[in-house]
Amino acid sequence: DQQVKQNSPSLSVQEGRISILNCDYTNSMFDYFLWYKKYPAEGPTFLISISSIKDKNEDGRFTVFLNKSAKHLSLHIVPSQPGDSAVYFCAASYSGNTPLVFGKGTRLSVIA
Amino acid sequence: DTAVSQTPKYLVTQMGNDKSIKCEQNLGHDTMYWYKQDSKKFLKIMFSYNNKELIINETVPNRFSPKSPDKAHLNLHINSLELGDSAVYFCASSQGTHKETQYFGPGTRLLVL
Repeated sequence: DQQVKQNSPSLSVQEGRISILNCDYTNSMFDYFLWYKKYPAEGPTFLISISSIKDKNEDGRFTVFLNKSAKHLSLHIVPSQPGDSAVYFCAASYSGNTPLVFGKGTRLSVIA
Repeated sequence: DTAVSQTPKYLVTQMGNDKSIKCEQNLGHDTMYWYKQDSKKFLKIMFSYNNKELIINETVPNRFSPKSPDKAHLNLHINSLELGDSAVYFCASSQGTHKETQYFGPGTRLLVL
């Protein structure tokens, strides 16, 4: 059973436009959410996170929105750049020594 | 000055063989992890070690045995390799709990023939 779901396997966006990547979760105990970015032949790298006490966190071109009632979060990238082309993983965790649970990833292609 | 390194990067072997993957981090972190990314692209935790002690073992077959000689190293030994073990294995580290940012190695691509 997938506790973290990224239902769009891929997304194409034009350079300069907004990229919106979505993530849904089923476990209401999750209280911390992260986005990781992965280039081919490399390991995932941390991008941005959000705690469940917030509904938005912004870092430069990247903003994560959390809707707890809908158990949904999204990552907005504005403006999108060709270097943003990568696979984006959503991950979630909750208190204690519980491991991160990752989604399947969404491949973003930013077209120049 | 790679933060988290893994060797080898690629590993092709026959069924039934025993192999090891090494991981080293130079970040001074006290928690290290092994993840498996299978053909369906799910990234799943296998093990987590904190200060050389096992804290998570996610129902991994006992053919997989992690070994942490010190805080900077977490090696993965796999006995009697099976076809289903083919995957990309990622090592990661963090300072403290799983909520802290985890830094991943580049991955080891294992193919069992």
